[in-house]
Amino acid sequence: EAGVAQSPRYKIIEKRQSVAFWCNPISGHATLYWYQQILGQGPKLLIQFQNNGVVDDSQLPKDRFSAERLKGVDSTLKIQPAKLEDSAVYLCASSFQGGKNIQYFGAGTRLSVL
Amino acid sequence: GNSVTQMEGPVTLSEEAFLTINCTYTATGYPSLFWYVQYPGEGLQLLLKATKADDKGSNKGFEATYRKETTSFHLEKGSVQVSDSAVYFCALPNEIFSGTYKYIFGTGTRLKVLA
Repeated sequence: EAGVAQSPRYKIIEKRQSVAFWCNPISGHATLYWYQQILGQGPKLLIQFQNNGVVDDSQLPKDRFSAERLKGVDSTLKIQPAKLEDSAVYLCASSFQGGKNIQYFGAGTRLSVL
Repeated sequence: GNSVTQMEGPVTLSEEAFLTINCTYTATGYPSLFWYVQYPGEGLQLLLKATKADDKGSNKGFEATYRKETTSFHLEKGSVQVSDSAVYFCALPNEIFSGTYKYIFGTGTRLKVLA
């Protein structure tokens, strides 16, 4: 069974530039999550999708971050414009449904904002 | 809502030493409890879980028992190896609305095992 795929693995940008991350969850998983993990900290949930609907985006900085999950499968997370404090690893995860079950994580995208 | 409190690290041990990483929780009811591990440069992966009180989860020599009396889910391993060096996260689901949950993660405990 293929795992959660994320790309790119690494990205370096200047502040005020834009960046996008892509995630392909495990086939059949209805719930998809984007987390931000700052160095030395635990994952912080940015947004949670159930199929293609948003169930929680309370910690997403909506003035600069956006995410979509068209057709309830792939998802993209965008930052525009980036700030220095956005430097982090962005993790995508998926679970079968509802979020009560085991979450499967991708390897993450490491973003450095200079 | 539900929450977890995890022992702060880093924890540095010699190979073959005994490991305990403490995790306590606050929860409504008896949710499943999880330990995830993150190896350097990788995403998190499930290490073990317990779905009800008094359950013991185990995997790769690690164990954790779901103790409702002390609201704890401490991670233990009898003899650690250098390859166990990683960051360990305790987690539990928190219901957002009926049938939909989000995970609450602890702050993580970094383990370094020396040869």
